[in-house]
Amino acid sequence: NAGVTQTPKFQVLKTGQSMTLQCAQDMNHNSMYWYRQDPGMGLRLIYYSASEGTTDKGEVPNGYNVSRLNKREFSLRLESAAPSQTSVYFCASRDVANYGYTFGSGTRLTVV
Amino acid sequence: EDQVTQSPEALRLQEGESSSLNCSYTVSGLRGLFWYRQDPGKGPEFLFTLYSAGEEKEKERLKATLTKKESFLHITAPKPEDSATYLCAVSAAGNKLTFGGGTRVLVKP
Repeated sequence: NAGVTQTPKFQVLKTGQSMTLQCAQDMNHNSMYWYRQDPGMGLRLIYYSASEGTTDKGEVPNGYNVSRLNKREFSLRLESAAPSQTSVYFCASRDVANYGYTFGSGTRLTVV
Repeated sequence: EDQVTQSPEALRLQEGESSSLNCSYTVSGLRGLFWYRQDPGKGPEFLFTLYSAGEEKEKERLKATLTKKESFLHITAPKPEDSATYLCAVSAAGNKLTFGGGTRVLVKP
């Protein structure tokens, strides 16, 4: 099925460990986004990529890095995980024609 | 800075009891206002996009309206399967979505 695929779905990390969250879309969308969702905080933008080869910071970029590997793939890396990064992470891509975003099913990350 | 505020935070309804959710926004140069539905453990699912004041969109028991300052999501004769969190977001310059905190809706049979 067409859409946004995120891996892994669940992950537990120890403080200081690193990991990469993967995201791929097969809808030929130019723009891709990483959000985190926390109780009472809503969805907050971490980083985005308006097109292949470009990336920009969002509202909460500290502690994260991203790579737009190609048009399909946009990864999010935590270099040294902290408990404050415990959250649910969503990747999304955007159809430039109607501004609509399509979201993946999320990665639930716990940092202990 | 773009701001989106949703109210109420939570809503408990009896099946068939119609109600409305509010989304008030402050944005420079609105390009679109979006409504999403989110079920527990899943990503947001697109419902509607509204582009200009006065516009209305409908889908089954849901109807979204837009003014210059706010949007309403009306739920008519809700069923238990309408239970979810409803998210409002705005898109302005820069092609980024800014989300509100959401309204959790529980429809009891």
